[in-house]
Amino acid sequence: AQSVTQPDIHITVSEGASLELRCNYSYGATPYLFWYVQSPGQGLQLLLKYFSGDTLVQGIKGFEAEFKRSQSSFNLRKPSVHWSDAAEYFCAVGSNDYKLSFGAGTTVTVRA
Amino acid sequence: EPEVTQTPSHQVTQMGQEVILRCVPISNHLYFYWYRQILGQKVEFLVSFYNNEISEKSEIFDDQFSVERPDGSNFTLKIRSTKLEDSAMYFCASRLEGTLGTDTQYFGPGTRLTVL
Repeated sequence: AQSVTQPDIHITVSEGASLELRCNYSYGATPYLFWYVQSPGQGLQLLLKYFSGDTLVQGIKGFEAEFKRSQSSFNLRKPSVHWSDAAEYFCAVGSNDYKLSFGAGTTVTVRA
Repeated sequence: EPEVTQTPSHQVTQMGQEVILRCVPISNHLYFYWYRQILGQKVEFLVSFYNNEISEKSEIFDDQFSVERPDGSNFTLKIRSTKLEDSAMYFCASRLEGTLGTDTQYFGPGTRLTVL
């Protein structure tokens, strides 16, 4: 069965600083990996996805993620965070039938 | 940009009552999903739907739940007799059937269900 672990429940970062959110997955076959962001009271917005090919993927809002098969990881990064990046971030893995399994989420707080 | 819409945004109901949550997927999408997120917990898969039938369902999706695509545009989730533990945010998602490995699920804004 597929599963996702996001080790960090809450991260606080200063505006302008870099951000890295960790994601580890468990899946027997080639994973389809996603990062979604959820702002307070909002739905889930896709930031980026990995299906195959280049292991460094670029997403919206200046985010990128790197797939490392050897570490079963798909960490999300942003070089310089903005106050509007405060939100909850979910990593997800998709199976062959595209059902998504989500991690527990990481809440990002941005301080001025 | 096309988007998935859901109504209502917030539903309050009494325990034991039936509720219907409505979703309008992106118009040319063929696969439809319901997920739920209990407050403070992870988003959980409930059911997937394709070609007018359920393709997969989770353990959560018991006989109290049903889904329907009544008119070719709406996709509904019905809970026949709500329980307190059904209180959650319910997300609808849709995707276009495409080349293997290229599909993305697009999520609606969610319906917050509160069972009293």
